[in-house]
Amino acid sequence: DIQMTQSPSSVSASVGDRVSITCRASQNINRWLAWYQQKPGEAPNLLIYSASTLQSGVPSRFSGSGSGTDFTLTITSLQPEDFATYYCQQANSLPRTFGGGTKVEIK
Amino acid sequence: EVQLVESGGGLVQPGGSLRLSCAASGFTFKDHSMDWFRQAPGKGLEWVGRIRNKVKSYDTEYVASVKRRFSISRDDSKDSVFLQMNSLKTEDTAIYYCSRVSRIDFNDYWGQGTLVTVSS
Repeated sequence: DIQMTQSPSSVSASVGDRVSITCRASQNINRWLAWYQQKPGEAPNLLIYSASTLQSGVPSRFSGSGSGTDFTLTITSLQPEDFATYYCQQANSLPRTFGGGTKVEIK
Repeated sequence: EVQLVESGGGLVQPGGSLRLSCAASGFTFKDHSMDWFRQAPGKGLEWVGRIRNKVKSYDTEYVASVKRRFSISRDDSKDSVFLQMNSLKTEDTAIYYCSRVSRIDFNDYWGQGTLVTVSS
């Protein structure tokens, strides 16, 4: 199984800040990576797929980069509705596996 | 609008069984593979298994921890997918989500989830 390691596990930030979250795969997954946002009591919401493609309806302040084993999710100018937990997921093979999550909290 | 609605969760004793359902609408269900995921209270996300479409012979795959206990099926005439869970353990306690697999193999839509609690 492919292991996904996400960091940091939590980050405190203010509205308007730039936040970056990293995800590392235990083997080459090319660009088979997705990022999800999850708010308390809600299902995960797909933000980015194929490492850098924005899902329809997702604000452009979200961006993704990387390929191979190292990936980054960046949120420019953090908004109040962005405080949530973010997960990376590899889509290279089954079983699908996730990073441990990054909780973005209000400073 | 794509919608996925899970049902069937509840409280069950260890060793018991439960069948979850996921009703889909807003897309051509028969064309898509479908996944089940789960999330234990306060924990991260875990993929449970997949059922592919008719073109791919309705093949199924499962995470190791549920193999031989869980099975996924589908009824394309009812736009529904099911998760049969047998020999339930306390560690199976979680919110269970169904999710559509997009044509490029990402999980683009998720249901709201149904809570399964395994406890005596």
